[in-house]
Amino acid sequence: GAGVSQSPSNKVTEKGKDVELRCDPISGHTALYWYRQSLGQGLEFLIYFQGNSAPDKSGLPSDRFSAERTGGSVSTLTIQRTQQEDSAVYLCASSPRTDGETQYFGPGTRLLVL
Amino acid sequence: AQSVTQLGSHVSVSEGALVLLRCNYSSSVPPYLFWYVQYPNQGLQLLLKYTTGATLVKGINGFEAEFKKSETSFHLTKPSAHMSDAAEYFCAVSDRPSGTYKYIFGTGTRLKVLA
Repeated sequence: GAGVSQSPSNKVTEKGKDVELRCDPISGHTALYWYRQSLGQGLEFLIYFQGNSAPDKSGLPSDRFSAERTGGSVSTLTIQRTQQEDSAVYLCASSPRTDGETQYFGPGTRLLVL
Repeated sequence: AQSVTQLGSHVSVSEGALVLLRCNYSSSVPPYLFWYVQYPNQGLQLLLKYTTGATLVKGINGFEAEFKKSETSFHLTKPSAHMSDAAEYFCAVSDRPSGTYKYIFGTGTRLKVLA
């Protein structure tokens, strides 16, 4: 079956511009996670959705970052006024169970801020 | 708080040799533990997981790991390395106490397989 998909796969933007990253989870998966992978910080959690609600936003690094999920499905991570330190790979994962266990990862969006 | 430590950011083995990647964890509750593999420019693929039950778990591609509570370890092994095993490997613990089950990852180990 179809896995988690993310778009775009690569994004190059200029400092100060806004970007939107999209995640399509596996159908029926109620939990959705965003992570960021960067050279200096490794893999770090950003935000967790259960359905359309985001009970844990503790990993968002600043108020320039926001995310939403609609219809219990697609999620969009938005970064406003991008900075060079936002350059990273943004990974989305979904999970079929509300009590966790396995997360299934998408291929990621590689963001480069010039 | 949950945490994961992976010893050795880079490991090199010869083709056919034993692969041993180390992972130690800290958890305030019985942990859920995972190993993922990442090939270049790809996402994370689950190798194996431990939640409950048998402490020796077998995964894909001939990998296995043993949960040792007394040592707070979950080391990944493979008896015989193959060139295709070259990748980056991440150990993770699920943040069960928070109720979100988000992953806390180790810093990763890059495995190089020498011909």
